[in-house]
Amino acid sequence: GAGVSQSPSNKVTEKGKDVELRCDPISGHTALYWYRQSLGQGLEFLIYFQGNSAPDKSGLPSDRFSAERTGGSVSTLTIQRTQQEDSAVYLCASSRTVNYGYTFGSGTRLTVV
Amino acid sequence: AQSVAQPEDQVNVAEGNPLTVKCTYSVSGNPYLFWYVQYPNRGLQFLLKYITGDNLVKGSYGFEAEFNKSQTSFHLKKPSALVSDSALYFCAVNYGNMLTFGGGTRLMVKP
Repeated sequence: GAGVSQSPSNKVTEKGKDVELRCDPISGHTALYWYRQSLGQGLEFLIYFQGNSAPDKSGLPSDRFSAERTGGSVSTLTIQRTQQEDSAVYLCASSRTVNYGYTFGSGTRLTVV
Repeated sequence: AQSVAQPEDQVNVAEGNPLTVKCTYSVSGNPYLFWYVQYPNRGLQFLLKYITGDNLVKGSYGFEAEFNKSQTSFHLKKPSALVSDSALYFCAVNYGNMLTFGGGTRLMVKP
């Protein structure tokens, strides 16, 4: 597609429920990144994919967080047993190579109540 | 380890005046440096990058940035600020295959 697409744009969930966030990167972009941004703050790195593999999972905050990417394209970030501190905007970005910088999606705003 | 610092949480400037948003970095080797802007309820948008070559880099919306290797800085500048430039600005440096972002600087341009 023309840009990075994320869905849903907004998600309200009850504490303890599982959620899935989806990212559809730009066609041909082999690298895909997930970041978290809390209330107008900086960006916290979560995970990075090169193709379908994740060389760097160091940013995942806990074992409740997991991510996968299939077919070198769509990625899903799953948060199990959500907690209130998981409330944030989850941003996805893709790139051909890092030299080109990232193209970001508009994000998913997650609110855990 | 790589790091990026944006020492100012907020910068206030009057419309028409020049603006500077500061960024310093720490990374081994030659850095690739980026500036992104985030408008309310939007994702980040690419403004400009420095890879190699001329130390003064020109980007979108009239912004430019100057790479200073001796001071390890990459400050964002614009000669004449607009109210519509008010947004959150992020500096970033690459390390390996990922970007590390600074904490962000909120730019407020007043009429």
